[in-house]
Amino acid sequence: AQKITQTQPGMFVQEKEAVTLDCTYDTSDPSYGLFWYKQPSSGEMIFLIYQGSYDQQNATEGRYSLNFQKARKSANLVISASQLGDSAMYFCAMREHNAGGTSYGKLTFGQGTILTVHP
Amino acid sequence: GAGVSQSPRYKVAKRGQDVALRCDPISGHVSLFWYQQALGQGPEFLTYFQNEAQLDKSGLPSDRFFAERPEGSVSTLKIQRTQQEDSAVYLCASTITAQRRETQYFGPGTRLLVL
Repeated sequence: AQKITQTQPGMFVQEKEAVTLDCTYDTSDPSYGLFWYKQPSSGEMIFLIYQGSYDQQNATEGRYSLNFQKARKSANLVISASQLGDSAMYFCAMREHNAGGTSYGKLTFGQGTILTVHP
Repeated sequence: GAGVSQSPRYKVAKRGQDVALRCDPISGHVSLFWYQQALGQGPEFLTYFQNEAQLDKSGLPSDRFFAERPEGSVSTLKIQRTQQEDSAVYLCASTITAQRRETQYFGPGTRLLVL
């Protein structure tokens, strides 16, 4: 079974509009972390935002916010006021903290969503 | 530079050739991860080092893949007798401590093309 599912292969948004990128996950580990990374065409993975499974509030970092719905196992990324420079591939990733006692923090990634921002 | 660096950025190899990919983590970072990213896919875990100790190599796809970090800083991923299916971007990431909550910071990757 897929641990991280990103169902949107591609998304389009108008500049200055908000966009939501979907992510659902599957784990039986009670302690885990969820991440979003941005990968522009240059290839580097850029960290955007982190949400811990025990965090009471949704994470926010500038124009990025994470809509964390634990019961539904979803962790959607919301980008407000889109900019042309936001065009990139976006990955949702999970880190399970216990994983049978052998987790050292490795990340499991989804398939990614390509975001295109139109002027 | 303050970030993770990788070299070479691009590598073209003939099938059967051996290659070595280098990762320079952020200075002082304890943990180091290698990931493989096939075209159009998300990265997949290969191996993990804590200082010089390789604690998890469960993601290495075959015994042709070998990684080392002898002095606990620079790491090298070696692929012997490369095959076309090894073509991918190889990403390195590091964290300052071994705490699981740490955010991983990635390098720019090495794009390997096996002909």
